Formats: sequence, structure tokens, C-alpha cells
Amino acid sequence: GESVGLHLPTLSVQEGDNSIINCAYSNSASDYFIWYKQESGKGPQFIIDIRSNMDKRQGQRVTVLLNKTVKHLSLQIAATQPGDSAVYFCAETPMDSSYKLIFGSGTRLLVRP
Amino acid sequence: GAGVSQSPSNKVTEKGKDVELRCDPISGHTALYWYRQRLGQGLEFLIYFQGNSAPDKSGLPSDRFSAERTGESVSTLTIQRTQQEDSAVYLCASSLVAGDNEQFFGPGTRLTVL
Repeated sequence: GESVGLHLPTLSVQEGDNSIINCAYSNSASDYFIWYKQESGKGPQFIIDIRSNMDKRQGQRVTVLLNKTVKHLSLQIAATQPGDSAVYFCAETPMDSSYKLIFGSGTRLLVRP
Repeated sequence: GAGVSQSPSNKVTEKGKDVELRCDPISGHTALYWYRQRLGQGLEFLIYFQGNSAPDKSGLPSDRFSAERTGESVSTLTIQRTQQEDSAVYLCASSLVAGDNEQFFGPGTRLTVL
């Protein structure tokens, strides 16, 4: 079945360092891969997406890398700030129902001052 | 502008009671989604509405769950004869068009079934 999961449940980084959050997926027939950020008590917030035919996409302070050979997705955050502390979810959209987000279980990012 | 709003923010109910959760999407957003999030877990897709098309109900866990949407506005998620395993945060999201990866989420309704 379709599933998206994460390697590390909690990641602690020093403020100013770069963060790398990893995600493994099992469904090869996905159209997009997406990263969402969820702060405590709030709904998830879209960060960035990447189409399955791409390897890399950059946003503001964030970069998403997709390695289809090993079915691995990562989110890199440059110069991590206290406001980046949150739970990060990767998600995928199946090609046959692209409106549906299939979420992984999440990684908590803690930024040490 | 106003985001997605949900009510109530918290709901405590007794096992066997029915509950109704409300979602007001962002004005102009044609697509609306409901998700369930159990403690410490990711979101599970429940149901999707797009305009006047038939909704995708494939994620509803049982026939105790149902949802309605009036046009392109408010939606209600109803859980009948609640069970303890229904305890979770229920999140609503909307997007401008169907298939838009950027879904805008509300703050959720935390449901506790005693």
C-alpha cells in the first residue's frame, strides 16, 4: 500500500546551523512530494513541493531533494532559526488522485539557542 | 485575509453520542478536505469536496462518519455513535483549485471521547 515515513522522529540543531530532515516513501507512482510544517496547536503549513520528474528544488532558505532510485526525500533548512522549531511532515500525491495528500508520521525539529 | 476556521476548537463527548464539526474554508476556494490526526501521528485523509462534483469519501473509516458541503462554502463532518478510538484532532483544509499542493489548513477541532 501507499505509505510515507520518516527516519528520525526528533532532530535537535543549534541555531544558525543547517538542518536536514529525511523521509522515505514506498509508492513509486506519486506525482508530487510535499513538505509541510506544523507548529504546536496549529494546522500544517505548506513549505515546498517537488514534482516526481525533478531532483532538486529551492525556496527561501529551504531546499528539497528527491532521490527516486532509493525512494528518499529530504528537506534542507539553511541557517536554522528558533521559528523553525516545529514538526515537519513529508507527503505525497498519488498520480490517480492528485488532490489527496498521503502524510508521513513527522519529525520534530528543535532549535537550540 | 481570513484563513480556514473550524469550530468548536475542542469537543469532549461521551461514547455513543453524535458530534458535528464545522469548517469554514477560505472564500473562493473550490476544494475542501477533511483529515484526522491522532496524537503524535501524521494526517489521515478522510474526504474531499470539489465544487458540485461527487465527493471522494474513500478515506472515511466507517459508516459512522459522514460529511456535507453546501456549494463552495461551509462543510460539516458528523461522527455518529462516537467511540474512544475517534479521539483525535480533525483538520479541515481548502485550496483554490483541485490538485493544488498548497492546502490551507484550519487550526483543527480536538475531539475527546470519554
